[in-house]
Amino acid sequence: AQKVTQAQTEISVVEKEDVTLDCVYETRDTTYYLFWYKQPPSGELVFLIRRNSFDEQNEISGRYSWNFQKSTSSFNFTITASQVVDSAVYFCALRVPSGNTPLVFGKGTRLSVIA
Amino acid sequence: EPEVTQTPSHQVTQMGQEVILRCVPISNHLYFYWYRQILGQKVEFLVSFYNNEISEKSEIFDDQFSVERPDGSNFTLKIRSTKLEDSAMYFCASLEGGSYGYTFGSGTRLTVV
Repeated sequence: AQKVTQAQTEISVVEKEDVTLDCVYETRDTTYYLFWYKQPPSGELVFLIRRNSFDEQNEISGRYSWNFQKSTSSFNFTITASQVVDSAVYFCALRVPSGNTPLVFGKGTRLSVIA
Repeated sequence: EPEVTQTPSHQVTQMGQEVILRCVPISNHLYFYWYRQILGQKVEFLVSFYNNEISEKSEIFDDQFSVERPDGSNFTLKIRSTKLEDSAMYFCASLEGGSYGYTFGSGTRLTVV
């Protein structure tokens, strides 16, 4: 079975600070996909990134960066120079590509960026 | 960019009433899903649907729930007799065959009073 753990329930930072959201996953499969989603106060799920298990290269997209480490089963997400608009709940998720297996979500981390 | 469309965005219903949540997946997608998110909690899988039948369901998806793809376009979730604890955000998602990334709809917020 797959499991995703986001140990940080809530984080509060002051604008322009950097913040890292942790994600630890469990799976016995060697092929899997990891995701991050943002859920703003309006409620929709906004896709941020997808990473497959064979690609450990870190990725940067603007102020966002992701650190994938198979050795520690972690897929952490860093926001640089945070902004108030980054305030949201962030979910890490895992999927094993067998048929149409579902996404397994972590419990989410609520990020509050204070001006 | 193609979207998954969900209607209504918000529905209020009385306890014991039947409710149907509607979704229009992306047209060339083959796999369809419903997820539920109780307020303040994580997103939970309900059911997956492929080739006009349920392929997997969670323990949440009991006899009160059903899904249908009546016309090859819409994908519906029916709750037969709503309970207060059914109040949640319901997300529809679809997946292209051979792909690995979902497209989620914007959700229907169901409030049972």
